[in-house]
Amino acid sequence: AQKITQTQPGMFVQEKEAVTLDCTYDTSDQSYGLFWYKQPSSGEMIFLIYQGSYDEQNATEGRYSLNFQKARKSANLVISASQLGDSAMYFCAMREGRGNAGNMLTFGGGTRLMVKP
Amino acid sequence: ETGVTQSPTHLIKTRGQQVTLRCSSQSGHNTVSWYQQALGQGPQFIFQYYREEENGRGNFPPRFSGLQFPNYSSELNVNALELDDSALYLCASSLKTGTINEKLFFGSGTQLSVL
Repeated sequence: AQKITQTQPGMFVQEKEAVTLDCTYDTSDQSYGLFWYKQPSSGEMIFLIYQGSYDEQNATEGRYSLNFQKARKSANLVISASQLGDSAMYFCAMREGRGNAGNMLTFGGGTRLMVKP
Repeated sequence: ETGVTQSPTHLIKTRGQQVTLRCSSQSGHNTVSWYQQALGQGPQFIFQYYREEENGRGNFPPRFSGLQFPNYSSELNVNALELDDSALYLCASSLKTGTINEKLFFGSGTQLSVL
């Protein structure tokens, strides 16, 4: 089974509107962390936001927030007030606490976000 | 603060050859990991080095090997290149290892094409 599933291969959003990128995960660990990274065409993966499995509140970082629904095993990224510079690939990733190979992250297949002016 | 730098940015090799990719970690970071990102896919973990020793490995064959140097820079070596090795290779560094919330800082990658 896929550990991280991103079901939206591509999405369009109008500039200044909000957009939600979906992510579901699969783990039997109680302790795990969820990450979102942005990958512009330059290739570099840029960290956006982190949510721990024991965190009771949804994480927020500026225009980014994470809608964490633990029972449903979903960790959706919400980008508010989209900007043209938000056009990029977005990856959801998970680090499991048990038997983890160092800092290994398991990534989903990504969602390409395109912001329309 | 210097970020993660990788060299070269692009590389073309033929099947059967060997390749070495290089990575300088972010200042103060002692842990380096390597990821392979095939076209249209998410990155896949190859291995991680901490204090010059491999301390984690993904599902990659032994022809993928690495080194970490005393200054924490790292190399990824791939022997007997295959066409499927064509991918973007990403290096990531982190301040430490073994904590759930540790952020990884990535370089811009080396695009390897195997013909």
